[in-house]
Amino acid sequence: EAGVAQSPRYKIIEKRQSVAFWCNPISGHATLYWYQQILGQGPKLLIQFQNNGVVDDSQLPKDRFSAERLKGVDSTLKIQPAKLEDSAVYLCASSLKQGGEYEQYFGPGTRLTVT
Amino acid sequence: GDSVTQMEGPVTLSEEAFLTINCTYTATGYPSLFWYVQYPGEGLQLLLKATKADDKGSNKGFEATYRKETTSFHLEKGSVQVSDSAVYFCALSDYGGATNKLIFGTGTLLAVQP
Repeated sequence: EAGVAQSPRYKIIEKRQSVAFWCNPISGHATLYWYQQILGQGPKLLIQFQNNGVVDDSQLPKDRFSAERLKGVDSTLKIQPAKLEDSAVYLCASSLKQGGEYEQYFGPGTRLTVT
Repeated sequence: GDSVTQMEGPVTLSEEAFLTINCTYTATGYPSLFWYVQYPGEGLQLLLKATKADDKGSNKGFEATYRKETTSFHLEKGSVQVSDSAVYFCALSDYGGATNKLIFGTGTLLAVQP
């Protein structure tokens, strides 16, 4: 079974530029998550989708971050414009369904450096 | 709000030593508890979990027991190997909440020396 795929793996941009990350979850997984992991901290949920609907985006900085999951499969996370403090690893995860009993499977992450 | 506190690292051990990584949590409901591991250059992997009080999760020689009275979920292993070197994250999920987002601790780096 293929795991969660993310691209790119690394990205370096200057502040005020825009950037987009892509995630392809495990086939059949209805729930998709984006987490932000700043160096030295644990991952923090940015947004959770159930199929193509948003379940929780309470910690997404909506003035600069946006995310979509148009067909309930792939997802894109965008930052525009980027700030220095956005430097982090962006993790995508998916689970079969929503609920604590369903394991979340994580992708390898995209490491973003904003200079 | 809900939170997880785990011991700071790095933890440096010799091979075959006993490992304990402390984790305590604060939650208003009855969360599920998890340990995730992140090997160098790889993504997060679920190591073990427990969904109710007094449950013991175990995998690959690691164990953790859900202690509601002390709000703890300490990770233990009787004999560590060099291959166990990684960052370990304690996390909780509000099983009965509207979402099942994971709330993570800050992670503990374990370095095992031969």
